Amino acid sequence: DAGVIQSPRHEVTEMGQEVTLRCKPISGHDYLFWYRQTMMRGLELLIYFNNNVPIDDSGMPEDRFSAKMPNASFSTLKIQPSEPRDSAVYFCASSLERQGNQPQHFGDGTRLSIL
Amino acid sequence: DAKTTQPPSMDCAEGRAANLPCNHSTISGNEYVYWYRQIHSQGPQYIIHGLKNNETNEMASLIITEDRKSSTLILPHATLRDTAVYYCIVRVKQNYGQNFVFGPGTRLSVLP
Repeated sequence: DAGVIQSPRHEVTEMGQEVTLRCKPISGHDYLFWYRQTMMRGLELLIYFNNNVPIDDSGMPEDRFSAKMPNASFSTLKIQPSEPRDSAVYFCASSLERQGNQPQHFGDGTRLSIL
Repeated sequence: DAKTTQPPSMDCAEGRAANLPCNHSTISGNEYVYWYRQIHSQGPQYIIHGLKNNETNEMASLIITEDRKSSTLILPHATLRDTAVYYCIVRVKQNYGQNFVFGPGTRLSVLP
């Protein structure tokens, strides 16, 4: 079975550039989550969607971050303009919550470095 | 929100059982206990979850105390590939959705 697929796996770009991270959730899952992981702050939830609708974006650090889910099989996390402090590993996860209390399944992440 | 407490690190000899403890003394009656692990440079991997009964799958066993204030994840025969950070999470269920809060976890080192 295909798991959660994220692209790119690594991204290195200069400060001020726009960065777009992509995620394909597991087929049939109705929840999608974006997390960020750093050494200092650990794993933090940024935003999550239910049936393509953003439910809680209180973890998004600031207006430079935005996320969309145009359909059930694709989501993007965009940073514009990017800053060095955005350097982190960004994970996408999905779950099938209709059955209740189901685990989230994570992709292998995008390692982002902003120079 | 129920919080969890785990030891920061543990060692285990290869081939032996690894017993990873977790305290969650403020857990509510409808909150599940989940365990994940993260191997270096990979995403968190789901291991097991339970409510009040002990659970077992192909990866591990989960033992939850009767009062539900603590639990133990058991890897019956640890291998070097089980070296990872293990997270115990109590699922916070909100009115309109769900949330997982990852703490610092336990860094398990399986030694040859």
